[in-house]
Amino acid sequence: GAVVSQHPSWVICKSGTSVKIECRSLDFQATTMFWYRQFPKQSLMLMATSNEGSKATYEQGVEKDKFLINHASLTLSTLTVTSAHPEDSSFYICSASGQAHLGYTFGSGTRLTVV
Amino acid sequence: AQSVTQLDSQVPVFEEAPVELRCNYSSSVSVYLFWYVQYPNQGLQLLLKYLSGSTLVKGINGFEAEFNKSQTSFHLRKPSVHISDTAEYFCAVTPNYGGATNKLIFGTGTLLAVQP
Repeated sequence: GAVVSQHPSWVICKSGTSVKIECRSLDFQATTMFWYRQFPKQSLMLMATSNEGSKATYEQGVEKDKFLINHASLTLSTLTVTSAHPEDSSFYICSASGQAHLGYTFGSGTRLTVV
Repeated sequence: AQSVTQLDSQVPVFEEAPVELRCNYSSSVSVYLFWYVQYPNQGLQLLLKYLSGSTLVKGINGFEAEFNKSQTSFHLRKPSVHISDTAEYFCAVTPNYGGATNKLIFGTGTLLAVQP
């Protein structure tokens, strides 16, 4: 079946530094990638949608200059949290979908802790 | 616009008992419907999905769901649960046009707590 690999699974960084999270579709072409943020015991909050080769579309209230999304190829998307602060600590999850695959396959998530 | 309501935030159930997790949706257009399971500190795993055809959908791990258009519901059921089914379950919806580029709208989730 469709597999999405997300790395790292967890990361601890100092306040003010940047962190990059990668999401790869291993066996299908992901024309669309979605990035979510999840707070403890809450549902997933969509941050942005990116189509391969295009700029990401951010949801209202999400700072595009802080959460940089790149989707340069059909198998890789990255989320960079710039100048991270403790309030950015959260669980980040990517999801990939392709024209030939309607299933919205999710990565395993990244636990970001900013200290 | 679409919305999803999962009225039960937590459902306690004894092992080997049947369970139903409720999901209702609102949409002005036809939709695709999904159920996902999330174990602690993990991503979401697809349990089943309804795209078209038979309204009774069978998924993995013995789960099934029935699409009821008149009641705008997509309830998830399992005839006999195991301790290992303890997890958070999310219902999601997306409009059925535009291919795979539409975002999923999630419910708030239901914690299934299976007790021995």
